Amino acid sequence: QLVLTQSPSASASLGASVQLTCTLSSGHSSYAIAWHQQQPEKGPRYLMKLNSDGSHNKGDGIPDRFSGSSSGTERYLTISSLQSEDEADYYCQTWATGIQVFGGGTKLTVL
Amino acid sequence: QLQLQESGPGVVKPSETLSLTCTVSGASIASNSYYWGWIRQPPGKGLEWIGSIYYSGNTYYNPSLKSRVTISVDTSRNQFSLKLNSVTAADTAVYYCARLVAASGTPPQYFDCWGQGTLVTVSS
Repeated sequence: QLVLTQSPSASASLGASVQLTCTLSSGHSSYAIAWHQQQPEKGPRYLMKLNSDGSHNKGDGIPDRFSGSSSGTERYLTISSLQSEDEADYYCQTWATGIQVFGGGTKLTVL
Repeated sequence: QLQLQESGPGVVKPSETLSLTCTVSGASIASNSYYWGWIRQPPGKGLEWIGSIYYSGNTYYNPSLKSRVTISVDTSRNQFSLKLNSVTAADTAVYYCARLVAASGTPPQYFDCWGQGTLVTVSS
């Protein structure tokens, strides 16, 4: 069964970097995912599609501070030079034969 | 610039049918590169995919909701719609419509543009 697992929360200081992790269920290491950001009281925003080889294509207007990487069944979102507006919920999403799956989301707090 | 806007009643009575429409502007819904989908988010919880539709009418549904969901498309109005029947309080959520990227002739992949969402409350 295709499942995405995310830590419920993460925190980092203003100006620092943080890496968020999305883990694919066993046997799905070749799957791509997408990262989405949801700021408080707003709808989600597409950040990037992240392939299993670490290549990624970002949405329009997404700053260079946001990057992605992959290792095995792990998919990472790294945010550098953290800003206050990066405080948000981050969701990973994947797909298989038309079915869409979301991770539970990680709430990022910027200290 | 692509925009998606949800519309529909903010309150639905238990056991009745929830109906929402998504109006797409800035792009044609009749594109062979995209599907169009519905997602919901109960208060304080995560995202749940409901279903997706192609301009031709081909659909995919979340197995857990499939028995109660119908998604349709109206290319003449550049809109697609959601119907969820026999609603209960558990269906109270913010409902989002979104676009999904799909290579021609293949199933949809990821959401690349979202609407702002609309809150639907199930209450008598």
